[in-house]
Amino acid sequence: ETGVTQTPRHLVMGMTNKKSLKCEQHLGHNAMYWYKQSAKKPLELMFVYNFKEQTENNSVPSRFSPECPNSSHLFLHLHTLQPEDSALYLCASSQDFETSGYNEQFFGPGTRLTVL
Amino acid sequence: DQQVKQNSPSLSVQEGRISILNCDYTNSMFDYFLWYKKYPAEGPTFLISISSIKDKNEDGRFTVFLNKSAKHLSLHIVPSQPGDSAVYFCAASGNHGANNLFFGTGTRLTVIP
Repeated sequence: ETGVTQTPRHLVMGMTNKKSLKCEQHLGHNAMYWYKQSAKKPLELMFVYNFKEQTENNSVPSRFSPECPNSSHLFLHLHTLQPEDSALYLCASSQDFETSGYNEQFFGPGTRLTVL
Repeated sequence: DQQVKQNSPSLSVQEGRISILNCDYTNSMFDYFLWYKKYPAEGPTFLISISSIKDKNEDGRFTVFLNKSAKHLSLHIVPSQPGDSAVYFCAASGNHGANNLFFGTGTRLTVIP
């Protein structure tokens, strides 16, 4: 596998379900991100991890819970979601800006989430 | 309030001609700008970037221009090819929260053969 991978690619869940999205990067990066893309809206940054530490939580509801066990893996745990949470969830990785001085982010293909 | 705006949701261009995609921003603290391309069912792919110390950066058929006084940047693709048909996103970041990128809503480019 190369680049940034995400599983599953599609997920349908009920409002009472618990599910997890998984992201893995094979680029040797040390920063990872979760974004949400809703229809006709810009990508919204949700969470940022630098060297496995969460450095940004962009006012995301607690029904979204991130986990970063190491610098290559990132999870998004989902619990009691609402239909308006249906969106494309994108994971990205980059070198940490402080280290590299630039922050081109590399994206995975996304998970298309539908909440019924 | 959106800090990065792409006011044209779509653009159609004849193959071989120039495509010009525009982006405006409101935050004067932004100092690094990127363009991403997205095909259906794929994540955004980094295309080209520019730092605020420059006003132009060129990479093959792609050139990004930055006008800091107008808080405006543009992406020029010349000559345009059918494979360039995709959604193009403009993004910006600043020294504060330097890892954070702020994205526009995207412009769908269609290159007509």
